[in-house]
Amino acid sequence: DAEITQSPRHKITETGRQVTLACHQTWNHNNMFWYRQDLGHGLRLIHYSYGVHDTNKGEVSDGYSVSRSNTEDLPLTLESAASSQTSVYFCASSEPGGATRYFGPGTRLTVL
Amino acid sequence: AQKITQTQPGMFVQEKEAVTLDCTYDTSDPSYGLFWYKQPSSGEMIFLIYQGSYDQQNATEGRYSLNFQKARKSANLVISASQLGDSAMYYCVMREYNIGNEKLTFGTGTRLTIIP
Repeated sequence: DAEITQSPRHKITETGRQVTLACHQTWNHNNMFWYRQDLGHGLRLIHYSYGVHDTNKGEVSDGYSVSRSNTEDLPLTLESAASSQTSVYFCASSEPGGATRYFGPGTRLTVL
Repeated sequence: AQKITQTQPGMFVQEKEAVTLDCTYDTSDPSYGLFWYKQPSSGEMIFLIYQGSYDQQNATEGRYSLNFQKARKSANLVISASQLGDSAMYYCVMREYNIGNEKLTFGTGTRLTIIP
């Protein structure tokens, strides 16, 4: 069955370190997204991609970057982790123009 | 103003009863979509149901139906014959196509607890 996986599921890091969260989907979807979930804010869009070599900024993109070298993967990098980036991160994918997002299981990141 | 309002932070419902989760939204975009997602305690986000603003009929998916009242700007989720496994957080979500169709606006959620 097609799926989205995220790794690691839990990560603790220190302020100032670079961190990369992996997202891999086997749906063969062109569209991929990264969200963060914080109490009182629901999910907010960080970055998204419509296909290989395409990346776009979402509403909370500062301090984050993504790259898309193939259809299956969209890694999210925190260049210099800050305590404000402690959150749960969700990766999602969808078909082009598709209404539905298929979400990964989430990564809980703690920045100390 | 909140774009998505879920006025019920928590609900307790007896097993096998039907439950309605309220959602009102605010948009001037004539083309939009409304979703409901379920997030159990394990944390994953599970898509339940989708309603497009131009859809004439209310969406249904198994035990889930969406009571879409466009004039009132409400999109309530109805779960029939509730089960213990329905205990979770439920989010109403809006997608506005004319302002950038990849942005989803989430409500603050309703925590539903099913009582045996």
